Amino acid sequence: DVKVTQSSRYLVKRTGEKVFLECVQDMDHENMFWYRQDPGLGLRLIYFSYDVKMKEKGDIPEGYSVSREKKERFSLILESASTNQTSMYLCASTGQNNSPLHFGNGTRLTVT
Amino acid sequence: QKEVEQNSGPLSVPEGAIASLNCTYSDRVSQSFFWYRQYSGKSPELIMSIYSNGDKEDGRFTAQLNKASQYVSLLIRDSQPSDSATYLCAVYFGNEKLTFGTGTRLTIIP
Repeated sequence: DVKVTQSSRYLVKRTGEKVFLECVQDMDHENMFWYRQDPGLGLRLIYFSYDVKMKEKGDIPEGYSVSREKKERFSLILESASTNQTSMYLCASTGQNNSPLHFGNGTRLTVT
Repeated sequence: QKEVEQNSGPLSVPEGAIASLNCTYSDRVSQSFFWYRQYSGKSPELIMSIYSNGDKEDGRFTAQLNKASQYVSLLIRDSQPSDSATYLCAVYFGNEKLTFGTGTRLTIIP
């Protein structure tokens, strides 16, 4: 079974802080994704990566950056956290295009 | 703009009945379709994949795909209270990004 692990289940940060959300997968998947999920808005893609050191903007990349230094790890960075970034953040991976995504348990981030 | 549309619900179904969830999508060339189940506060869990027209059955779940009409549906037979969740439809537009609908909240009434 694919295992996607997100480092924190709950996180509380202050406005202006730099925030790192970590995601690790154990199935040697090439493709990794970061989504945020908000009530009424569904899942929205922030960034994705098809390979080490490679990244692509999703639908809502503003205020975020990512890092993929190793194949198994994909980090989401909030450069200066703001209250409108309070959300559930979900990491996912897949081994090939057109395949289903496997999600981590999610990180509930609150920015105060 | 590639879109996946679902009725947000809530959809209430008596225990033991058939729950029918529908999804439409905007791109005729889409090839891969998925249904995820998401319990409150949890992450989405894959329950069905379907790639060709027709029906695909897995236990109490049946996915139905009609590419000409651009819709995909999920039937849940013999609904159980544990089926109460939000169901997300997801479609690949091209090969790259999986686009999700906003989900249908299903409640099974004992």
